[in-house]
Amino acid sequence: DQQVKQNSPSLSVQEGRISILNCDYTNSMFDYFLWYKKYPAEGPTFLISISSIKDKNEDGRFTVFLNKSAKHLSLHIVPSQPGDSAVYFCAARAAGQNFVFGPGTRLSVLP
Amino acid sequence: GAVVSQHPSRVICKSGTSVKIECRSLDFQATTMFWYRQFPKQSLMLMATSNEGSKATYEQGVEKDKFLINHASLTLSTLTVTSAHPEDSSFYICSARTGSSNSPLHFGNGTRLTVT
Repeated sequence: DQQVKQNSPSLSVQEGRISILNCDYTNSMFDYFLWYKKYPAEGPTFLISISSIKDKNEDGRFTVFLNKSAKHLSLHIVPSQPGDSAVYFCAARAAGQNFVFGPGTRLSVLP
Repeated sequence: GAVVSQHPSRVICKSGTSVKIECRSLDFQATTMFWYRQFPKQSLMLMATSNEGSKATYEQGVEKDKFLINHASLTLSTLTVTSAHPEDSSFYICSARTGSSNSPLHFGNGTRLTVT
């Protein structure tokens, strides 16, 4: 039973354009969400978070949007850069519980 | 920022031997650390939660006698894969929180274990 889904295993975007990575969840108790970026043979790196009391959080080129009614969140990267090429994981948790990770989306930013 | 160091980054061992992986929080104290396993092209699967000074909490399906976790101090947790078999070959990653459960997890760089 996959509580956090990232239905696109991969995504290719041209440099300078917007990358949109999507994440869907099933547990309505999830109240805190994170996005991580992972390069091969390295641990994930925290990118940005959002709590359920917000619907948007922005940090530089990264913006996360949360649609609670749809149980959907997305990460927007604009403008995309070749160095953004990595696997992106979304993670979610309910209060007092451990984080559950999605399967990841591999983003390729083409020069 | 918070730094989590994991060692070794890569290890090859023979079937039947044991391997120890260390996870250290370098600039903060971590009362709780987490151990994950990642299979190729799959997500991070939580194996266990390591609590300083007490027994680890294992996720369902994870053999606690095979994956021994010790959290001896506020900055060090170890995972020992005992009597390793080729199917234990995987990428193991630790993480730690700097504060409350609302804090993001900070990950080590992972350990690639290959059992021959």
